[in-house]
Amino acid sequence: GQNIDQPTEMTATEGAIVQINCTYQTSGFNGLFWYQQHAGEAPTFLSYNVLDGLEEKGRFSSFLSRSKGYSYLLLKELQMKDSASYLCAVKDRDYKLSFGAGTTVTVRA
Amino acid sequence: TAGITQAPTSQILAAGRSMTLRCTQDMRHNAMYWYRQDLGLGLRLIHYSNTAGTTGKGEVPDGYSVSRANTDDFPLTLASAVPSQTSVYFCASSDSLEGSAEAFFGQGTRLTVV
Repeated sequence: GQNIDQPTEMTATEGAIVQINCTYQTSGFNGLFWYQQHAGEAPTFLSYNVLDGLEEKGRFSSFLSRSKGYSYLLLKELQMKDSASYLCAVKDRDYKLSFGAGTTVTVRA
Repeated sequence: TAGITQAPTSQILAAGRSMTLRCTQDMRHNAMYWYRQDLGLGLRLIHYSNTAGTTGKGEVPDGYSVSRANTDDFPLTLASAVPSQTSVYFCASSDSLEGSAEAFFGQGTRLTVV
C-alpha cells in the first residue's frame, strides 16, 4: 500500500506563512496533489506537481522532490478562511489516488 | 451545473442491513473513486474504477462492493453493515487516468451503523 505522512496539526497567525510537509512512499508515481477541506465539506483541489520544483498559484505554492519523496504546501499571507484541513495525495503507477491523513491548520487573529 | 451527486446525504442503518450509496456524475469522467473518511485516518480508498465496466480494490475494500455499468454511475453497496462502517463516504471522479487530472468530490454521505 501507500505510505503518505503529514503533520496532524499546525497553528499560525493571520498574515503569516505556514509550510505543510508531506513525505510519501508509493508503488510508482504519477503526480502529487494538494486538497483543501473545510469542516463538513468535500475536499477541493489546490495544486498538482509531477516534476521537481515549485508551482505557484497566488498565495499558495507547492513544491516537489521526487528523489526524496517529499512535497510541501506553502500558504502565504494567511487569512482566517484558510483555517481548514490540507490533504496530500499521490497517484501511483495504477493511477489510484491515495491520501494522507491531512493537516489541520488553525489561523489565529 | 455539472458535478458529482451523492445520495443520501445521511443515513442511520441497523447493523446487518444492506444499503447502496449512490454516486452520479455528469462530467463524462472516466475514473471514479469511493473513499471513507474517519477522524485521524483521512480519506481511505475503498474501490475505484478506471473506466466503465472495470473496477479495482483500494486500501479498505472488505465489506463493500461496487459496479460500473456505465460512465455516469458508481454505486457502493454494503451487503451486511457493521458498526465499524460508520463513516463519511465520499465519491470522486476525474477526467482521465492521466496524472494531472484532478479529482472532483461529491458532498459526502454520512452513514451511522447502529
